[in-house]
Amino acid sequence: NAGVTQTPKFRILKIGQSMTLQCTQDMNHNYMYWYRQDPGMGLKLIYYSVGAGITDKGEVPNGYNVSRSTTEDFPLRLELAAPSQTSVYFCASSYGTGLNTGELFFGEGSRLTVL
Amino acid sequence: GNSVTQMEGPVTLSEEAFLTINCTYTATGYPSLFWYVQYPGEGLQLLLKATKADDKGSNKGFEATYRKETTSFHLEKGSVQVSDSAVYFCALAGSARQLTFGSGTQLTVLP
Repeated sequence: NAGVTQTPKFRILKIGQSMTLQCTQDMNHNYMYWYRQDPGMGLKLIYYSVGAGITDKGEVPNGYNVSRSTTEDFPLRLELAAPSQTSVYFCASSYGTGLNTGELFFGEGSRLTVL
Repeated sequence: GNSVTQMEGPVTLSEEAFLTINCTYTATGYPSLFWYVQYPGEGLQLLLKATKADDKGSNKGFEATYRKETTSFHLEKGSVQVSDSAVYFCALAGSARQLTFGSGTQLTVLP
């Protein structure tokens, strides 16, 4: 099983550029999430989705957009990249019954640097 | 709001030493509690969980007990191995389908 696949693994952007981080999962999970991980700060939730066509903001949504046109895919769009968006981004998915089951499945991460 | 506080790292131990990583939380209601582990270059993986007070989660020799009276969920292992070197995250699931993570504790085990 591939699980959760993120691309690209590394990317350097210039200030003001835009890009999309891709995320796809093959486990037929309803719930998908985007987190960012800053050094010493743990993970912060950017956006999440409870199913195709449904998205909602997390703790730190500013500067990002998402869409969920299919169950498998949950791309994260960065518009007008800023140095504050330099981070490691993780996509995750989980079963549709919510978080009491506890198990989020994470991708390997995408390291983004904005210069 | 919900929050998770972990002991600051990094933590360096010799092989076969006893490990404790402290975790305390603030939340309304009765959240579920988790420990996740991140090995170098990988995403996070669920290590263990507890869903109600006094539950003990365990996996791969690691244990943690949900203590409601002290709002704690400390991670322990009796004898660590070099392969346990990783970053460990405490987390809680409150409402709104979101996990709140602690800042992570880097563990290095020396042979």
